[in-house]
Amino acid sequence: EAGVTQFPSHSVIEKGQTVTLRCDPISGHDNLYWYRRVMGKEIKFLLHFVKESKQDESGMPNNRFLAERTGGTYSTLKVQPAELEDSGVYFCASSQAELYEQYFGPGTRLTVT
Amino acid sequence: GQNIDQPTEMTATEGAIVQINCTYQTSGFNGLFWYQQHAGEAPTFLSYNVLDGLEEKGRFSSFLSRSKGYSYLLLKELQMKDSASYLCALPPPNTPLVFGKGTRLSVIA
Repeated sequence: EAGVTQFPSHSVIEKGQTVTLRCDPISGHDNLYWYRRVMGKEIKFLLHFVKESKQDESGMPNNRFLAERTGGTYSTLKVQPAELEDSGVYFCASSQAELYEQYFGPGTRLTVT
Repeated sequence: GQNIDQPTEMTATEGAIVQINCTYQTSGFNGLFWYQQHAGEAPTFLSYNVLDGLEEKGRFSSFLSRSKGYSYLLLKELQMKDSASYLCALPPPNTPLVFGKGTRLSVIA
């Protein structure tokens, strides 16, 4: 069974540009989560989808971040316009149900210069 | 809110046993997760404790005391490949995981 996949693995962009990250969860997992880890800090929750609906987006830092999950399958996280402090590793995770084990993707390392 | 505290770094010798502690405060308890994360890789699930006591899974065991707000991860017969960060995480009521900063374990020969 394929795990959670994320694309791209690395992205280097300039401040002010736009970047879109993609996450493909494990097939059949209704719950999809986005997390971010900035250098030296803990992994922090961004938002949670149940199927195509946003269950909780309390962790989204500001309105420059937009997440979508059309059709309840893969999800995208767009940062527009990117700022220097957006640099970090963005992880996606999926689970069969809330409080079940979350399977993490390999992450996308975003560097904003 | 939730607060999680773990030691930042630990070093242990190959073949030894190491205990990684995690203390937490939370307004509602839904269990505690331990994840392992190798540098540059995704966190991988190790254990989920919701009841008090010790749960053993091969070389890894996890302990929970809800009354003390305390958990530990016990790694036995340490191997070099166990060098990684170990993350304690809480699922608060109605929201997904809150992670601690993690404990970086270095296993030396």
